[in-house]
Amino acid sequence: EVQLLESGGGLVQPGGSLRLSCATSGFTFYTYAMTWVRQAPGKGLEWVSTISGSSDATYYADSVKGRFTISRDNSENTLYLQMNSLRAEDTAVYYCAKVSPSLPSLNYWGQGTLVTVSS
Amino acid sequence: QSVVTQPPSASGTPGQKVTISCSGGSSNIGSNYVCWYQQLPGTAPKLLIYKNDQRPSGVPDRFSGSKSGTSASLAISGLRSEDEADYYCATWDDNLRGVFFGGGTKLTVL
Repeated sequence: EVQLLESGGGLVQPGGSLRLSCATSGFTFYTYAMTWVRQAPGKGLEWVSTISGSSDATYYADSVKGRFTISRDNSENTLYLQMNSLRAEDTAVYYCAKVSPSLPSLNYWGQGTLVTVSS
Repeated sequence: QSVVTQPPSASGTPGQKVTISCSGGSSNIGSNYVCWYQQLPGTAPKLLIYKNDQRPSGVPDRFSGSKSGTSASLAISGLRSEDEADYYCATWDDNLRGVFFGGGTKLTVL
């Protein structure tokens, strides 16, 4: 059974940093690209970033480029999102998702972790 | 202005067929696959349709997708109360180099 479990969310002040983790199981992690998608309270879905299975390719939404960094540890089957210079508009539930067979198809999602940026 | 556009709402009665549209341009829907997601209240999104018209295993055949030119559609036949949810289309844009979701359509089953 495929499982994705996000962690690391919480309350952070504007300008602060946070690192999200997504622990996975039930599939051959290193063979799949992985993605972060966020959803602001009461709003729609917004793609954040995608990383290839071997980490040789990364993609970012313009809204987070230069502030967020996606990475993965294939030995630990874990995906990460390092978020720096956080802004109020980054407040959202952050979901990790497995890409299959290719973008924009995300066939498994985690339950999400809430990030709140506020003073 | 959104890259991909959906109507904010749709509705139907049980048993009816409802269609949700997704409109884009030549650099996104016109040249890339479209996916559809269902998000029930308080839950993570679920993949309904991929590669324009393919259903993952476990998705009922009441759900179908299609694409023509720079537009795509999700059709739900035999509408049920449990279909009440938000539906999102998504595609890749070649110029902007990213994934773009439509704004979402809230489906109400009357």
